[in-house]
Amino acid sequence: EPEVTQTPSHQVTQMGQEVILRCVPISNHLYFYWYRQILGQKVEFLVSFYNNEISEKSEIFDDQFSVERPDGSNFTLKIRSTKLEDSAMYFCASSESSGVYETQYFGPGTRLLVL
Amino acid sequence: KQEVTQIPAALSVPEGENLVLNCSFTDSAIYNLQWFRQDPGKGLTSLLLIQSSQREQTSGRLNASLDKSSGRSTLYIAASQPGDSATYLCAVIDRGSTLGRLYFGRGTQLTVWP
Repeated sequence: EPEVTQTPSHQVTQMGQEVILRCVPISNHLYFYWYRQILGQKVEFLVSFYNNEISEKSEIFDDQFSVERPDGSNFTLKIRSTKLEDSAMYFCASSESSGVYETQYFGPGTRLLVL
Repeated sequence: KQEVTQIPAALSVPEGENLVLNCSFTDSAIYNLQWFRQDPGKGLTSLLLIQSSQREQTSGRLNASLDKSSGRSTLYIAASQPGDSATYLCAVIDRGSTLGRLYFGRGTQLTVWP
């Protein structure tokens, strides 16, 4: 069964460094999402992406964050200058049609630790 | 802003019991409600999706109901098994969303012991 994959599974970085989290959505999916979960907290929406454009973003997704679909298979989340509070599990998700009508399929996550 | 609450936060039951997990949401103008399962250190697995026009969905031993007007949903698990041990998350997409922003609850951590 097709799955969303994410790399790396774990990343440790120093505060102020840039990180890029990578995701390979399910191949025929056109709608992409990033969520994060700080330890012990709710899963929180960051951004949705369709047709090479951001469709919706949360208040968390400030100028330090960016997303890109650099080729036909990858979907990336970049954090330009990491802060301690960016430490969290980051989940990528994809759906074949709009998530308003269809379930989103989640990857296993990247655990980011900012020191 | 949409707020999703789940009760109880944790539940521990013996194998074979039928159980009910509860979810409530503050804004009833939703597109759909979904139940996910989260295993430790892993991603989220979708269990059931209920569109706003539906009242319930069933998959195997799982049954989810939706009462949109009261802002409530329940997930019923029949004949629980140790393999059902996981955290169960409820999430909604409200009418203010363009592509499907999910609002999650904190989850119910379920332990089923043999």
